[in-house]
Amino acid sequence: EPEVTQTPSHQVTQMGQEVILRCVPISNHLYFYWYRQILGQKVEFLVSFYNNEISEKSEIFDDQFSVERPDGSNFTLKIRSTKLEDSAMYFCASGENKVTEAFFGQGTRLTVV
Amino acid sequence: AQSVTQPDIHITVSEGASLELRCNYSYGATPYLFWYVQSPGQGLQLLLKYFSGDTLVQGIKGFEAEFKRSQSSFNLRKPSVHWSDAAEYFCAVVLLSGGYNKLIFGAGTRLAVHP
Repeated sequence: EPEVTQTPSHQVTQMGQEVILRCVPISNHLYFYWYRQILGQKVEFLVSFYNNEISEKSEIFDDQFSVERPDGSNFTLKIRSTKLEDSAMYFCASGENKVTEAFFGQGTRLTVV
Repeated sequence: AQSVTQPDIHITVSEGASLELRCNYSYGATPYLFWYVQSPGQGLQLLLKYFSGDTLVQGIKGFEAEFKRSQSSFNLRKPSVHWSDAAEYFCAVVLLSGGYNKLIFGAGTRLAVHP
């Protein structure tokens, strides 16, 4: 069964460092998303991406964040200068079209120290 | 603004007992509604969804949910819980007019199952 895969599963980084979280969406999907879940809190929408551009982003997704689809398979989330409060589980998701459900990856746990 | 409320943070049931997890949403139009499950250290797995039509929807793992417009609710049920159902359950809503652009999640309900 096709699935969304995310790497790494866990990343530890020092405050101020850049980090790139990687995702391989399901191959025929066209809509891509990043969500995050701070420990003990609800899952929050970060950004949606379609046709090589951001279609919607939340207030969390400030200038420190960027997304990219560098080739036909990967979808990345970059945090330019990490802060302690960026520590969270980051989930990638993909969907075939706008109205079907999205499929989530297993998540990357980011720890900023 | 759209919101999702899951009133129960923790629920404990005995194996074999029935289960109902509550979800209420705040949204002006008919929403798309979802239930996801997250096992420890795992990602989010879709249990079931409601888009339109029959208000009682069946999902995987023996779960079902009923959409009640009058109560703005989408409660998740299972007639007989198994120990493997212990996990965190999230209700979510998505904007209908904008299509599938953004899921809004509830805070989650953590389910513990006693043997």
